[in-house]
Amino acid sequence: KAGVTQTPRYLIKTRGQQVTLSCSPISGHRSVSWYQQTPGQGLQFLFEYFSETQRNKGNFPGRFSGRQFSNSRSEMNVSTLELGDSALYLCASSLAGGTTGELFFGEGSRLTVL
Amino acid sequence: QQQVKQSPQSLIVQKGGISIINCAYENTAFDYFPWYQQFPGKGPALLIAIRPDVSEKKEGRFTISFNKSAKQFSLHIMDSQPGDSATYFCAASMRETSGSRLTFGEGTQLTVNP
Repeated sequence: KAGVTQTPRYLIKTRGQQVTLSCSPISGHRSVSWYQQTPGQGLQFLFEYFSETQRNKGNFPGRFSGRQFSNSRSEMNVSTLELGDSALYLCASSLAGGTTGELFFGEGSRLTVL
Repeated sequence: QQQVKQSPQSLIVQKGGISIINCAYENTAFDYFPWYQQFPGKGPALLIAIRPDVSEKKEGRFTISFNKSAKQFSLHIMDSQPGDSATYFCAASMRETSGSRLTFGEGTQLTVNP
């Protein structure tokens, strides 16, 4: 069974640009969550999508957005990039059958903002 | 109140020794406490998890001890091996309202010397 796939794995952008990251969850998983990982702030929850609807949102500015498609694949977008957005962005999928915490993470997309 | 505090930040243990990582939380609404293991270049992977209705859970060399009254939980790694060298994160979530939203501790970088 294939794991969570994130693309691209690495990317470099400049301030003011926007970026779109993609996540393909494990087959059959309907929930996709996004996390930001940085050395200073650790792992922070961005948002969760379930059946194409945003079910939960973390404390990030509106520049961070996401969506989920009917096949459960998800994208997140960051507009007007800032230096502080440099991070590893992790996508996680779960069955969302009610048991929280059992997330399966991808290897992440490492974003560098210059 | 949403924070999860983790200690120590780093830990060095000899092969065969016991590694102990501690976490504390404030929000009594948390009802699920997983531990994740992360190797360099990889996403976090679920190691073991516990709910507050039990005080201890053991899976192989890994044991979670949970103290509900103190709002603390810990991970014990028995017979630590060099292959256990990784970053460990405790986390907490609320099943009722948070879906797959995890609040993570700051992480502990474990090094097991051969």
